[in-house]
Amino acid sequence: DQQVKQNSPSLSVQEGRISILNCDYTNSMFDYFLWYKKYPAEGPTFLISISSIKDKNEDGRFTVFLNKSAKHLSLHIVPSQPGDSAVYFCAATPTIVFGNEKLTFGTGTRLTIIP
Amino acid sequence: DTGVSQNPRHKITKRGQNVTFRCDPISEHNRLYWYRQTLGQGPEFLTYFQNEAQLEKSRLLSDRFSAERPKGSFSTLEIQRTEQGDSAMYLCASSPFTGTVSYEQYFGPGTRLTVT
Repeated sequence: DQQVKQNSPSLSVQEGRISILNCDYTNSMFDYFLWYKKYPAEGPTFLISISSIKDKNEDGRFTVFLNKSAKHLSLHIVPSQPGDSAVYFCAATPTIVFGNEKLTFGTGTRLTIIP
Repeated sequence: DTGVSQNPRHKITKRGQNVTFRCDPISEHNRLYWYRQTLGQGPEFLTYFQNEAQLEKSRLLSDRFSAERPKGSFSTLEIQRTEQGDSAMYLCASSPFTGTVSYEQYFGPGTRLTVT
């Protein structure tokens, strides 16, 4: 049972345009969400996160939006740069239960920025 | 500032052999996590430690798997009697815990295991 879903395995975007990566979740206990970026032969790198008490969090070129009623979040990258080409993972965790802070990941979206 | 390190980076072993991987977390981080990633999937949680205490184990962690963190610093993950299905990338992550939980976990480069 895939509790975190990234339905687009790949996405290609022109350099300078906006990249939008989507993520859906099914577990109502999830209330903290993270995005990770992964280059080949490296571990995932933390990018940005959002708590369910917010609907938007911004950090430079990266903005994450959360729609709790739809159980949907998205990562916007603008403007997209060639170095953004990587696999992006959405992850989620419940915060209400201490000691249960393991991350549940989606299957990833491969983003390719076209120069 | 050194990040999470993992050794070895690659391991090829024959089915039935035992293997052990090591993870050194970021020095001030007292929580340490192990994940496994197979091709086309995201990382899947295996187990985690707070200091030397193992707080949770996934049902993915069969009896052939054991993890330790003897002094609350580095951790080892051992797989006994390896099977071809154990072939995967094994990722270690760490995070700080100073009375409040930090949900951001910082990953090492992983150990790629190939069982032939």
